[in-house]
Amino acid sequence: EIVLTQSPGSLSLSPGERATLSCRASQTVYNNYLAWYQQKVGQAPRLLIYGSSSRATGTPDRFSGSGSGTDFTLTISRLEPEDFAVYYCQQYGSSPWTFGHGTKVDMK
Amino acid sequence: QVQLQESGPGLVKPSQTLSLTCTVSGTSISSGSYFWSWIRQHPGKGLEWVGYIYHSGSTYYNPSLKSRVTISVDTSKSQFSLKLNSVTAADTAVYYCARWVPPGWFDPWGQGTLVTVSS
Repeated sequence: EIVLTQSPGSLSLSPGERATLSCRASQTVYNNYLAWYQQKVGQAPRLLIYGSSSRATGTPDRFSGSGSGTDFTLTISRLEPEDFAVYYCQQYGSSPWTFGHGTKVDMK
Repeated sequence: QVQLQESGPGLVKPSQTLSLTCTVSGTSISSGSYFWSWIRQHPGKGLEWVGYIYHSGSTYYNPSLKSRVTISVDTSKSQFSLKLNSVTAADTAVYYCARWVPPGWFDPWGQGTLVTVSS
């Protein structure tokens, strides 16, 4: 199965700053089939990005995804207070579908 | 809009069977090419796909759990269910149901339900 490694494990930033989150796959992700989710405390994950770079309905345009092959990035251009959360990547290029262990973005 | 809601016991004894149901509203469970999924999250940890089912009854399971998992569907009730047998403390987790959208992301998710395995 494909193992996804997210880095850093946590990120302390201030509102207005830029956040860059990495997701590295143990092997090439077919067709760049990679999604990103946001999870707030006590809530279910919410889909943000699919297909490496396509925003899901309702995802603000300050969120952008990029990457291909084994290296993918989620960028939040200017952090809003509601963006402090844990972010997970998920690959769907090869079954079983797998998730990274998450990057926590907290407020400095 | 599409909504999913998990239900079932919050406490299961070791060696017994964990049983959960997900009720789908806002759409027909039989429409589209969607699969209906279970995903779990161990306390403070990451996410693990358990398996999913198509409305026809076709199932696909994570190989790591395949020997203990059964997912079934009741289209008349717009529900699908998870059974995980021979549970241990390692199966303690929040269990989410979610819709799997081809080619493979999960959206939306239910709110999740915590299942604790303990005597």
